[in-house]
This record gives sequence, structure tokens and C-alpha cells, in this order.
Amino acid sequence: GENVEQHPSTLSVQEGDSAVIKCTYSDSASNYFPWYKQELGKGPQLIIDIRSNVGEKKDQRIAVTLNKTAKHFSLHITETQPEDSAVYFCAARALPSSNTGKLIFGQGTTLQVKP
Amino acid sequence: EPEVTQTPSHQVTQMGQEVILRCVPISNHLYFYWYRQILGQKVEFLVSFYNNEISEKSEIFDDQFSVERPDGSNFTLKIRSTKLEDSAMYFCASSPSDNEQFFGPGTRLTVL
Repeated sequence: GENVEQHPSTLSVQEGDSAVIKCTYSDSASNYFPWYKQELGKGPQLIIDIRSNVGEKKDQRIAVTLNKTAKHFSLHITETQPEDSAVYFCAARALPSSNTGKLIFGQGTTLQVKP
Repeated sequence: EPEVTQTPSHQVTQMGQEVILRCVPISNHLYFYWYRQILGQKVEFLVSFYNNEISEKSEIFDDQFSVERPDGSNFTLKIRSTKLEDSAMYFCASSPSDNEQFFGPGTRLTVL
């Protein structure tokens, strides 16, 4: 089945620096890749997503890139702020026969932005 | 902004007891999901639900688990006889299509 690997597991940056989190997936049929931010005590919050027909997508300080050939995708956060500190999860949407796409998650990255 | 809500936020139960976790998905959404996250581990898919029936379930979702949408708003996960290893955060999610999934805040289940 689909497997998603995420690196690094922890990331510490200075406020204002950029942060990059990388994920690889195994199922070449996957076609949808969301990123979630999870703050302490809360559920995962969808922050950006990308579909397989697009190579890059940007939303203000957040961008996601997708390399279908290499089967990896990355989250880029620029001008980081302390409120960006959280656990970030990548996910890939598998394509089951039922056509209701379960998400396969990466292990998560704990991002710490130091003021 | 509409949100997925879940109750209770924390459930403590004795091993072998039945628990029901409740979710209210976003009102116009059509696809519903349950995931769980054991402490320190990945978020894992349990089950998806569409058109009043299960669409897909994982190996974790065995005969002890069931889901129901008893009315137009609630979506429940029942565990008939809880085991210690069922202790986890359980997240409900809903989606207007089969792409974007919006998660609730979770229910922390502790089995003693």
C-alpha cells in the first residue's frame, strides 16, 4: 500500500528564516497532497494542498512543490514567525477502488521558530 | 467559518467497555472519515463513509468498530469492547468532495 515518509522529524529555525519540510510517497497513482498544521491540543488544520497536475502552489508565506517523477513534495515556509511553531504533517491521497480518498500521513515534523 | 466538532474531548473507559465517539461534520459535506493517532505516531486512517455506507476501512477497523450516521448531522464511531491498545486520539474529518478533508479537534480515548 501507499507509504509516506517525512523529514526532518524536528526543525528549529530563527524567526524570519525559511523552513523546508520534505515528503516522499510510494504510490505513483496518488494525485492529491495536502499539508496539515497541528497545534497542541487541536486537530490537524489544512493549510495548503496540491494536485498532481500542478508543480507548485503558493499561498502568501507558504508554498508547496511537487515532483511526480521523483515522487516527492515539499512544504516551504518563508519569513517564519513564532506562531508557525507546530507539528506539520504531509499526506498523500491514495486511490482506492471505492474512489473515496483516504489520506496516508507522514510521521510529522515539529517546527520550532525561535524569536 | 464552519468547523467539524467532536464530543467528548476526553473519554476514559475501562477495558472491555463500549464507547461511542461523536462527531458533527460540516453541514454540506458528503464524505466522512475517522482517523486515529496513537501518541507519538502517525495519523492513521480507520474508515471512510459516503452515501450512508462504509466506502473503505483499514485493517485496524475490525469487527469491534462500527460507524453510523443516525441523523442528518451526527457521525459516530463505536468501539464495542475496548482494548488497552485502542487508547489514542480519534479524529473525525469531513469533505465536500473526495479531496479536501477538514478535521475536528479530536477525542482523546484512554482505556484503563
